Order: sequence, then C-alpha cells, then structure tokens
Amino acid sequence: DVKVTQSSRYLVKRTGEKVFLECVQDMDHENMFWYRQDPGLGLRLIYFSYDVKMKEKGDIPEGYSVSREKKERFSLILESASTNQTSMYLCASSRRFRSNQPQHFGDGTRLSIL
Amino acid sequence: KNEVEQSPQNLTAQEGEFITINCSYSVGISALHWLQQHPGGGIVSLFMLSSGKKKHGRLIATINIQEKHSSLHITASHPRDSAVYICAVRIIQGAQKLVFGQGTRLTINP
Repeated sequence: DVKVTQSSRYLVKRTGEKVFLECVQDMDHENMFWYRQDPGLGLRLIYFSYDVKMKEKGDIPEGYSVSREKKERFSLILESASTNQTSMYLCASSRRFRSNQPQHFGDGTRLSIL
Repeated sequence: KNEVEQSPQNLTAQEGEFITINCSYSVGISALHWLQQHPGGGIVSLFMLSSGKKKHGRLIATINIQEKHSSLHITASHPRDSAVYICAVRIIQGAQKLVFGQGTRLTINP
C-alpha cells in the first residue's frame, strides 16, 4: 500500500514565521503535489513536482515555495506566514502520467496562523 | 463558473437509503476520480473511470462522456458512509493535474 506521510496533523504558528510542511512518500512516485483545502472552495493546487528539483506552480502559488531535493520528500514553505494561510494542507503523490494514475493523499495538516 | 460542479453540496439521509451524488464538468477529460474524505482529513481514492461503470461493494460510479456527467451511488447506506465525497477530473491538457469539485457532505443518520 502507498503511504504518504505528512509530518504534522495540527500546527499553530504566528504571523511572520517561516513555516515548513513536510511530506514523504514510500512508493517511488515521480509526481508530488501540495494542495490547500478551504470550506466552499474545495482543493486547490499550490505547487507540484514531477521530478527531483523540478517544480511547477499550481493555481495559488503566491506566498508559498517548495523544495524537492530527494524523490521521496516534498516540502511546502510559507516564507512569512499570514493569517489568510490558515487552512488544511494536503500532500499527494502519483506515478508519472502515461496512463491514468490515481493520486494518493496524506492525512493532511491543519495549520493555524495566529 | 467552476470547471467541475457537484450536487448536492450537502445531503442528509436515513440509514438504508439509496444515495446519488452528481458531478458535471465543462472540459475535456481523460479520467474522472471519486474520492472520499472522512472527518480528520485523509482522502481515499474510491474510483477512477474514463467510461462506463465501476462497482466496489455498495458503491457504484458511472460516467457519461458525451453528457460530461458522472454519478456516485451508494446502496444500503450506513452511518459509516458519512463523509465528504469529492469528484475530480484529469483534463487532457496538463494531464498531471486534477481539477476538483467542491465536494458533497453526506450524513447518514441511524
């Protein structure tokens, strides 16, 4: 079974802090994704990566950056956290697209910025 | 207008009822996914389909490509089916990404 592990289930940080959210997958997947989920808005893609050191902006990249130094790990960075970044953050991974492949999700990190 | 629309947004039913959740999309797709999210956040993939119908236990998913519409059915619903059900499509261009509906919150009362 694919396992996608997010480092924290709940996290509370202060405005202006630099925040790191970590995600690790154990199935050698090429693709990894970071989403945020807000009531009424569904899941929105922040960034994704299709290989080590490769990244592409999603729909809402402003205020975020990412790092993929190793294939199994994809980090989301909030450079200077703001209250409007309070949200549920979900990481996912999948095989590189040749035929349709499902995305496998972590359990999510509920982040509160005070 | 969202590219993926789900209905209803909220659904409450009694145990044993037959449940239908609908998903309509406005773009060309290569596949459609149905996902389940329980309270607490984790998301599980239920189905991935590009044509026809799939069944797993009490869950059935159908898709009509011409009408750009998919349905998720739950037979003999149970309180443990209470969750948010999310429809997501893989668009043909930029196919690494999924586009998500807003989700349907289902509550099954005993």
